[in-house]
Amino acid sequence: GQNIDQPTEMTATEGAIVQINCTYQTSGFNGLFWYQQHAGEAPTFLSYNVLDGLEEKGRFSSFLSRSKGYSYLLLKELQMKDSASYLCAVRDPGGYQKVTFGIGTKLQVIP
Amino acid sequence: DGGITQSPKYLFRKEGQNVTLSCEQNLNHDAMYWYRQDPGQGLRLIYYSQIVNDFQKGDIAEGYSVSREKKESFPLTVTSAQKNPTAFYLCASSITREVGQPQHFGDGTRLSIL
Repeated sequence: GQNIDQPTEMTATEGAIVQINCTYQTSGFNGLFWYQQHAGEAPTFLSYNVLDGLEEKGRFSSFLSRSKGYSYLLLKELQMKDSASYLCAVRDPGGYQKVTFGIGTKLQVIP
Repeated sequence: DGGITQSPKYLFRKEGQNVTLSCEQNLNHDAMYWYRQDPGQGLRLIYYSQIVNDFQKGDIAEGYSVSREKKESFPLTVTSAQKNPTAFYLCASSITREVGQPQHFGDGTRLSIL
């Protein structure tokens, strides 16, 4: 099975940098996704990591360490619109795209 | 534009009643999924389907049923056996042939008990 841990809530200041951590214990690893979800809306895809290292996409970066079962999402130059929940999801082993989601981290950006 | 359409946006269920949530996609994705989201909890998988006429139970399938008669459609029925159906239901789809392809989500259906 999959066990995924994320902080429940975080607060950060507009213009700052915030790091959202995700740790996982899984029976097999086949990649990790980060999604953003605004309240009452659908999750939207942010990033995917399957190899160790940092993936950068504009203001958002995601890091993975498979040996440590650890990932983080880094948000730079925070904007008010970044206030949302950030979901970490680990892809199940096997040939499918089935994933297990963490509880999500609710980020509040304050002026 | 391609996407996933869920309907209705809001749904109310009476005691003892079955209700069906619609999910249609025109992304030509093979795989489709149903999740339930409750406050303070992550997305929990109800059912998923990798191909037409085939589907598997997820982690919380009791009280739910699905069908996959067409590639584009994956309706979810919430039966009267589901005693706590109030939740936000999300449908998703994905490509299965390529590694790392994300799931694409519909806008969700919010189900409440009358």
